[in-house]
This record gives sequence, C-alpha cells and structure tokens, in this order.
Amino acid sequence: DIQMTQSPSTLSASVGDRVTITCRASHSISSWLAWYQQKPGKAPKLLIYKASSLESGVPSRFSGSGSGTEFTLTISSLQPDDFATYYCQQYYSYPYTFGQGTKLEIK
Amino acid sequence: QVQLVQSGAEVKKPGASVQLSCKTSGYTFTTYAMHWMRQAPGQRLEWMGWIDAGDGNTRYSQKFQGRVTITRDTSASTAYMELSSLRSEDTAVYYCVRHGDGSRPVGVWGQGTLVTVSS
Repeated sequence: DIQMTQSPSTLSASVGDRVTITCRASHSISSWLAWYQQKPGKAPKLLIYKASSLESGVPSRFSGSGSGTEFTLTISSLQPDDFATYYCQQYYSYPYTFGQGTKLEIK
Repeated sequence: QVQLVQSGAEVKKPGASVQLSCKTSGYTFTTYAMHWMRQAPGQRLEWMGWIDAGDGNTRYSQKFQGRVTITRDTSASTAYMELSSLRSEDTAVYYCVRHGDGSRPVGVWGQGTLVTVSS
C-alpha cells in the first residue's frame, strides 16, 4: 500500500494568514492526489483533485500543487470557516490511502 | 439532486456482523461505482472497497479481505456493506461514497453511520 504522510499534524494560524500543508507519498503517484476538508461530525468535503484542480464551488483561496511524491495545499488568506482538519488522499492505486490529517487551529 | 442516505447507527457485540445500507437517489444508480470508507474516532479515513453498481464487480482492501462484502440491489438503487467478525477496533463511522466524475476520486458522500462494537 502507498503510505501518505502529512505535515504538520497541527497548525495554529490567524485569520488572514497564508498557510501551507505538505503531503508526501511513499511511492510516486503522478498527480493522483486529492485534498479534503473535514469538520467535526461531518463527512469530508473535496477541495482539490488531480493535485491542482479546484473542485466546483470551492473558494479560489485554496490551491494545490505538486506531483510524484510531494504535494502541497495552500490557503492564501485564512477565513474563519477554514478552521478544520485537512486530509490528503492518493488514488493512483488501490487501496486508496489517506494522510493522518492536519488540524488547523485558531491562534 | 444526488443523495446518499445511509442506515442508522448500530451497536454490536464482538464477533457479530453488521450490514449497512446506502440508498441513492437523483442519478442512475448503475452508472457509478460506490465506495465504502470508514473513520475510527480520531483516526484517518480508510478505504474498504468498492462495487461497480452496473455489473456488481467488487474490489476490497486487503486489510478487510475475507470480512467485508459489498453488494447492491439495482431495483432499489441501494448499496450494502457487510462486515463480519467485528472487534472493538471496528468502532467507526462508515461512509458510502459515490465514485467521482472525470478525474475526481469521489463524488457525493452519505451522511455516515456510526457502528459501535462493545461487549
């Protein structure tokens, strides 16, 4: 199975900050990477797919980049609604696997 | 609009089995595969398997092979996931998730079903 590792596990930031979350894959996954946002008690919400494609309806302050084994999710200017947990997921091969999550907290 | 409505919460004893359902509406059921995923408390998401709703073919994660069975009833536009030999580590929220359009890995999610395994 392909292992996905995110960093950091927790990130404290303020409204208006620019933040970056990193995701590393144990093997090359080309661009088959997605990012999700999850709030407590809710199902994950797809933000980014194919490493850099923005899902419809997702604000443009979210962006993704990378290929191969290293990927990043950037939020250009944090808004109050963005404080949540973020997961990366590879869908290059089965089983799909997820990172351990990055909890974005208010500083 | 597309909706996936899952069955209600379950409490099971160790060693038992549980079958969850996922009733769909708003699209042609047989056109999309259906994934099942789970998330234990405070843990990362885990992909369990999927079913091609058209031909019924399945694929399972090796981790759950032998314990998980995913089926579908096309007349009811419903997918099912059965997990057997339950243990406490299977306590989790289970999600059905429609396969995505284009290059998306997934599309619409069900609301989730909490399964609690406890003696």
